[in-house]
Parts: sequence; C-alpha cells; structure tokens
Amino acid sequence: QQPVQSPQAVILREGEDAVINCSSSKALYSVHWYRQKHGEAPVFLMILLKGGEQKGHEKISASFNEKKQQSSLYLTASQLSYSGTYFCGTETRAGNNRKLIWGLGTSLAVNP
Amino acid sequence: GAGVSQSPSNKVTEKGKDVELRCDPISGHTALYWYRQSLGQGLEFLIYFQGNSAPDKSGLPSDRFSAERTGGSVSTLTIQRTQQEDSAVYLCASSPRRGGYQETQYFGPGTRLLVL
Repeated sequence: QQPVQSPQAVILREGEDAVINCSSSKALYSVHWYRQKHGEAPVFLMILLKGGEQKGHEKISASFNEKKQQSSLYLTASQLSYSGTYFCGTETRAGNNRKLIWGLGTSLAVNP
Repeated sequence: GAGVSQSPSNKVTEKGKDVELRCDPISGHTALYWYRQSLGQGLEFLIYFQGNSAPDKSGLPSDRFSAERTGGSVSTLTIQRTQQEDSAVYLCASSPRRGGYQETQYFGPGTRLLVL
C-alpha cells in the first residue's frame, strides 16, 4: 500500500531541474507533497486532487495521472533552499474508509 | 499566529517507563494527526482526530499506544512500558476544517524520543 518514490536520492547543481515520482498500486483520491529539511518538520508543498484540482505554492508544479496512479513533482531551476527530503502521501480507500499513506521519501541535495 | 507546538522537544526514558507527548494544534484547527518517523524513514501514521473523536486509530502499533484529545484542542499521545523500538521522532499535525485527507497539514517540530 505504501507509495513508491523514485529516485531515492538526487544530487543537483544549482539551476538544474529534477523530477520526483510517486506511484501507487491503488486508486488514488489525492496526492500530497511535503518537503522536510534535516531536523525540521515537514512543510506543505502541494495537494493534487482527483478530478484535477490542485492546491499549492505557485512556484511548485506537479502532475497527477489518475489512470496510472502516479504523481510527479517538478523542480525547475533548483535553488540551494530546495535541498531536503521530499515525501509524497497518497490517499486511497481502505474498506469503507480513506487513508493517507506516506512514501519513504526522496533525498534532494542542491550544491552550488 | 502560533504554529503547532509539541512538548517536550526531546525525551530520554528508560525501557519500561511510560511517556506522555503533548501536541498543541493551531487554534481553531479541528483535525489533528499523530505520526512517527524513525531515523531515515518516512512518516508512519498513528492516529487521526476530528474534534475529540478518533475516526482512524488504525496506525497505533500496539495497545501500549493510546491518544486522547480534549476540548477539541490539545492532544496527548501516551506510550506505556516503552521499548527501544519506540525510539523515533513523534510528529503532530493539524488541519483547519473538516479534516479527512484533502487539506494541508501543518506539522509541529516533533518530539524526539529515545528509549534506553
């Protein structure tokens, strides 16, 4: 049930682009993206809802392919401040309930 | 305005002792979540409160773990007879309205628990 994130780790030079993927084996109602810096709490980046609605920061872009049960987070022209671990959370149905389950994270390091 | 606060920030305890972890959500937030994060791991869901009730406590790992929320505000996570594998960062998050899983969650700084 846990979503799979790829890659596990990325190293970029400032200004380079990266794509982080999140895939699930179950039908998704929403996908959540958070970034966590070392020793700090996770910080909200974006929610993508089934049906196409998105809520998030203007500078962050992401896609949600409902049929493929996948989401991708696009980091363009990366800055040093983008460094951290990116987690996706996937909302799926479990019986009559919905659950939000988190991936193991993608570690991103942006170097000067 | 104040964010989510948690106390203590660090807790060292001996195996077998009980611990209580506290979470103060953002004022007015009706939904509250507890997570556990082990070193280098992702977020492990523990329990979710909507107001004072817990519609989903399926993530509590054993009956040694319990949580309550009073007055629709402060929540306490209690771990009884702590074990070394309970060592982790315990994170609390809150969200503003109806809860569920389609709102932004605002995380607290966490409590780092070390069981010796």
